[in-house]
Amino acid sequence: DQQVKQNSPSLSVQEGRISILNCDYTNSMFDYFLWYKKYPAEGPTFLISISSIKDKNEDGRFTVFLNKSAKHLSLHIVPSQPGDSAVYFCAATRGAQKLVFGQGTRLTINP
Amino acid sequence: ETGVTQTPRHLVMGMTNKKSLKCEQHLGHNAMYWYKQSAKKPLELMFVYSLEERVENNSVPSRFSPECPNSSHLFLHLHTLQPEDSALYLCASSQATGKETQYFGPGTRLLVL
Repeated sequence: DQQVKQNSPSLSVQEGRISILNCDYTNSMFDYFLWYKKYPAEGPTFLISISSIKDKNEDGRFTVFLNKSAKHLSLHIVPSQPGDSAVYFCAATRGAQKLVFGQGTRLTINP
Repeated sequence: ETGVTQTPRHLVMGMTNKKSLKCEQHLGHNAMYWYKQSAKKPLELMFVYSLEERVENNSVPSRFSPECPNSSHLFLHLHTLQPEDSALYLCASSQATGKETQYFGPGTRLLVL
């Protein structure tokens, strides 16, 4: 049973526009959520996180929104830049337990 | 070197071979992880080590054998693998387990023939 799901395997966005990546989870006990970004031939790198006591966290062009009632989080990138083209993974955890990752969404920023 | 390094970056092996993947972290972290990433699947956690003690083993077949000789090094010993074990194997480290940010290495792309 996949506890963290990214239902869009790919997303194309025009440069300068907003990119919205979505993630759904099933375990209501998760209390910490993260987004990782992965370029080809590199390992994932941490992007931004959010605790369940918040519903929004912002870092520059990146904002993560958490809707606990819907068990849904999203990553907004605005404005999107060509260097944002990568695979984005959401992950969730509870306490000291392991990270559970989604399948990833490949984001392509078009000029 | 800084961060998390992994060697080799690419590996091709037969089903009867024995090989080892190496991971080294230069971040002073106390926890290290092995993940498997197969095509179009989520990253799957395989093993977790905290202060050189294995704290999690996610029902991984015994043909994968981890070793953590010290807090900076982590190995994954491979023997009699199957073609379905072909994947990207990622090592990560963090200051501690739990909500700490994990820092990943570049991975080893493994192909089992």
